[in-house]
Amino acid sequence: NAGVMQNPRHLVRRRGQEARLRCSPMKGHNHVYWYRQLPEEGLKFMVYLQKENIIDESGMPKERFSAEFPKEGPSILRIQQVVRGDSAAYFCASHGLAGKGETQYFGPGTRLLVL
Amino acid sequence: SQQGEEDPQALSIQEGENATMNCSYKTSINNLQWYRQNSGRGLVHLILIRSNEREKHSGRLRVTLDTSKKSSSLLITASRAADTASYFCATLGPNTDKLIFGTGTRLQVFP
Repeated sequence: NAGVMQNPRHLVRRRGQEARLRCSPMKGHNHVYWYRQLPEEGLKFMVYLQKENIIDESGMPKERFSAEFPKEGPSILRIQQVVRGDSAAYFCASHGLAGKGETQYFGPGTRLLVL
Repeated sequence: SQQGEEDPQALSIQEGENATMNCSYKTSINNLQWYRQNSGRGLVHLILIRSNEREKHSGRLRVTLDTSKKSSSLLITASRAADTASYFCATLGPNTDKLIFGTGTRLQVFP
């Protein structure tokens, strides 16, 4: 049973370009979370999605950031017109049951560097 | 900010010694979890303690939880060089599925 997969593992973009980060949850998991980790800091919640629904996007910047989790395929975190401050590690996590305090399983992360 | 705090920020010890990390949080919780992160890597789940539990053990790990003080501690006994990593606590609130992470403790264990 493969764990949570993220790709790419490293992504370099120039200012103004778009970044697309992908997350495939563990098999059977329909709940996906995205977190951002700035250098030397802890993770901060961005968005919580179930299949085809955004449940909680209270941690998402209002502009340039969007997320989806389609019926088929991975969850996508999209950052438009990236700026240097977007440089960070982006982690996704998944679990199978909402509202039960279940352990979230984390992917290896995508490290975004904006030049 | 809802983010919890951990102390110390950094801890250096010799192999064989015990390492204690503390975590304080701000809101009521369903459970509190500890994660380890090796440099440049993802998070590894270590242990989960529920709000109605006071202490939990897993191998060389011992976690305590004091909900009246909104604090938790992680003790690693007989530390090894391979324990060198950053350790984060994360809380899960009663009506939410999002984790709120602490600022982390960077542990260095010297052989």
